[in-house]
Amino acid sequence: AQSVTQLGSHVSVSEGALVLLRCNYSSSVPPYLFWYVQYPNQGLQLLLKYTTGATLVKGINGFEAEFKKSETSFHLTKPSAHMSDAAEYFCAVRSGGTSYGKLTFGQGTILTVHP
Amino acid sequence: ETGVTQSPTHLIKTRGQQVTLRCSSQSGHNTVSWYQQALGQGPQFIFQYYREEENGRGNFPPRFSGLQFPNYSSELNVNALELDDSALYLCASSLKAIETQYFGPGTRLLVL
Repeated sequence: AQSVTQLGSHVSVSEGALVLLRCNYSSSVPPYLFWYVQYPNQGLQLLLKYTTGATLVKGINGFEAEFKKSETSFHLTKPSAHMSDAAEYFCAVRSGGTSYGKLTFGQGTILTVHP
Repeated sequence: ETGVTQSPTHLIKTRGQQVTLRCSSQSGHNTVSWYQQALGQGPQFIFQYYREEENGRGNFPPRFSGLQFPNYSSELNVNALELDDSALYLCASSLKAIETQYFGPGTRLLVL
């Protein structure tokens, strides 16, 4: 079975500071990994995804994430936070090779950005 | 290109009633997945429909059922509503069953 753990339910940074949101996963097969962002009262927007190939993936709005198999991690980073980055972020895993695309999500991390 | 749309945006029901939520998939997508997101939680997979057939199901009771239509739009039906069914219901569409999922804005259901 797959599972996702997001370390830190709340992260607070100053505008211009580094953003680091942590995600660890458990999967019995090579995982496909995703980060989604959710703004208040909205659905989920895809930020970036890892399927195969390059382990450092770049997404929208300056975010990137690195797949580290040895650490079973897929942490999300952004060099310089902007006020508009304030939202809730979800890491998700889908197991490759299944016949259907069930996503298993973490509990989410709320990012607050201070001026 | 139109994204995923859901209706209604908000809904209030009483315990024991039945509810139908609707989802229109993104153009060209033949797969729809439904998720339940309780307050303060991550989304949980309910089921997926691929080419009008249920293609996978999460840990939800049979009173959660669905349909997919020939135009690939979908419905989620919940019978005998319980207070714990209060949540944001998210629909996601994808090109194929195992492809990247794109989410709609959700329907917020409140059961009183």
